[in-house]
This record gives sequence, C-alpha cells and structure tokens, in this order.
Amino acid sequence: KAGVTQTPRYLIKTRGQQVTLSCSPISGHRSVSWYQQTPGQGLQFLFEYFSETQRNKGNFPGRFSGRQFSNSRSEMNVSTLELGDSALYLCASSPQGPIYNEQFFGPGTRLTVL
Amino acid sequence: QKEVEQNSGPLSVPEGAIASLNCTYSDRGSQSFFWYRQYSGKSPELIMFIYSNGDKEDGRFTAQLNKASQYVSLLIRDSQPSDSATYLCAVTQPGTASKLTFGTGTRLQVTL
Repeated sequence: KAGVTQTPRYLIKTRGQQVTLSCSPISGHRSVSWYQQTPGQGLQFLFEYFSETQRNKGNFPGRFSGRQFSNSRSEMNVSTLELGDSALYLCASSPQGPIYNEQFFGPGTRLTVL
Repeated sequence: QKEVEQNSGPLSVPEGAIASLNCTYSDRGSQSFFWYRQYSGKSPELIMFIYSNGDKEDGRFTAQLNKASQYVSLLIRDSQPSDSATYLCAVTQPGTASKLTFGTGTRLQVTL
C-alpha cells in the first residue's frame, strides 16, 4: 500500500504571499490531519478533516485553512504569509476504525518564508 | 505545565543496551498513547501505540502505560546505532481522537 504523499516537498515564498499544500492519504483512510513542526514549538496540530468536514481544529489563526475532497485528498492553505510560518508542514492519515486511530505521516512540505 | 513532557536528552546508550524513554502527561483523561521515531530531516514514523494499562511488546520495543501515574514509557532492547533518532510521545484526549498532542521529543544516541 502506498504511503501518504505530500506535494510540493519544498517551497519558498515571500511575506504576504499565500500558499497551498496538498496531501493524499493512504488508500482507504478517510481522516487527514495537518501539523506544523518548528524547532521552537515542536509538532503542533492544525486541523483534521473527515468525510470532507473539519472535525477538529488547533490554536492557529484564521490565515490557516484547509479542505478535503470526496476522494479524501486534502489541501491546506496559508494566506498572508509571515516569517514565522516557516516550518515543516506534515499531513497524517488515519483509518479511523472503531477502536484504533493511529496516524501515519507523510514526508512533509518544508516551507520557507523570506 | 506542558501537556506532554519528555526529557530532551540526549540519552546516550551503548550498542546492545536497553534504552528507556519516558513521557508524562497532564490530562488524566488522555486516552491513546503513541510513540513516533523521527530521524533528522525526516517525518515521524509510528513505532508503537498503547491504549490500556500495562505493557505492549513489538519486537525489540516495549511500551508501558501507567494511567494512575500518568506516564508512558518506551523500552528499546538491544539498541542499535540505527535507533539513534528523536523519539516523540503523543497522546489524545476523549472527543478529539485525531488530535495528537506531542511532547518535544527525546534524542537518543546509540554509541558503538
């Protein structure tokens, strides 16, 4: 089974621009979560989508948004980029079974804001 | 108080020894517990998960959960240089099963 894929892998943007990141979950997984990883704050939860609906949300400003499509693929958008948005953005998919909810991470998109 | 706490390390163990990694959490209602391994420049890789009190073994790895004391640990037996990485502990709370709250990770160094 193919793993979680994320595109692009690397991105360089300037302050004020916006960016869209894409994530394709493991086949059959319906839940997609997004995380931001920085050296200072570690791994922080952004939001989770399940069946095209945002089900959970972390403590990030409204500049961070996402969506999920009917095929479970998900996109994350960051508008009006700030220098502090430079980070590794990770997508994780989960089978969301009745008991187990383990998440599997993709390779990430490294975003640099200049 | 941080929700999930880990000693940042580095924890240095000789090859072949047992590495013991610890994690404490503040929310007594925490439900699910995960250990991820992250190599430098790579994404986290799930190595163990545990839901019930006690021990869970998978190959060289053993996860131990003590909900009364609010800690979860990971033991790595016969440590190998390839185990050198940062180990991240993550927990979930009821009602937010897809929101992983991570510790800052413990860096493990296995020396020859």
